[in-house]
Amino acid sequence: DIVMTQTPLSLSVTPGQPASISCKSSQSLLHSAGKTYLSWYLQKPGQSPQLLIYEVSNRFSGVPHRFSGSGSGTDFTLKISRVEAEDVGVYYCMQSIQLPYSFGQGTKLEIK
Amino acid sequence: EVQLLESGGGLVQPGGSLRLSCAASGFSFSTYAMNWVRQAPGKGLEWVSGVSGSGGSTYYADSVKGRFTISRDNSKNTLYLQMNSLRADDTAVYYCAKALLRGYSRVYYSDYWGQGTLVTVSS
Repeated sequence: DIVMTQTPLSLSVTPGQPASISCKSSQSLLHSAGKTYLSWYLQKPGQSPQLLIYEVSNRFSGVPHRFSGSGSGTDFTLKISRVEAEDVGVYYCMQSIQLPYSFGQGTKLEIK
Repeated sequence: EVQLLESGGGLVQPGGSLRLSCAASGFSFSTYAMNWVRQAPGKGLEWVSGVSGSGGSTYYADSVKGRFTISRDNSKNTLYLQMNSLRADDTAVYYCAKALLRGYSRVYYSDYWGQGTLVTVSS
């Protein structure tokens, strides 16, 4: 099974400052067809998860441009260019190249 | 507007059974694969099971294989999860989630999630 490891597990950010979350997979998420099956989800307090980024760097509809994803192979990063109060919650990366799908442990973002 | 509404959760004794339902609306249900994902209290997300749009292909996490059965009734736009031989570690909020991409047999990314239904396994 593929293990997803996120760092840090928590971060506290001043509004307007950037934030970055790392996600590493135990195996490459690059498929032979050329797609990389890595996505990012945000679970706001008391809510269901919501899709932010799919295929490493594609923002889902309605996701603000301050969110960006990058990476390749086994190393991936979610960046928030300027954190806003509404960005609080737990961020998860997920691999979907191989069953069983697996999530990272989650990174809790708080506002200072 | 896409809506996913789970139901069927509750308190059940170890070894018991429950059937979860997820009523879908606002999209062409039969053309999208669906997933069940769960979250134990205070814990992270865990993928549980998936099913193709036709229902002909199903997928399970090892932790539930042989105990849980995913199915769908496309005439009713409803997804199901039959859970048997429940254990304490099955206690979680169960979410149904829709595939972002139409026509694939698996959910690679989930663009809509239900509000979840809580399953508690305890004596």
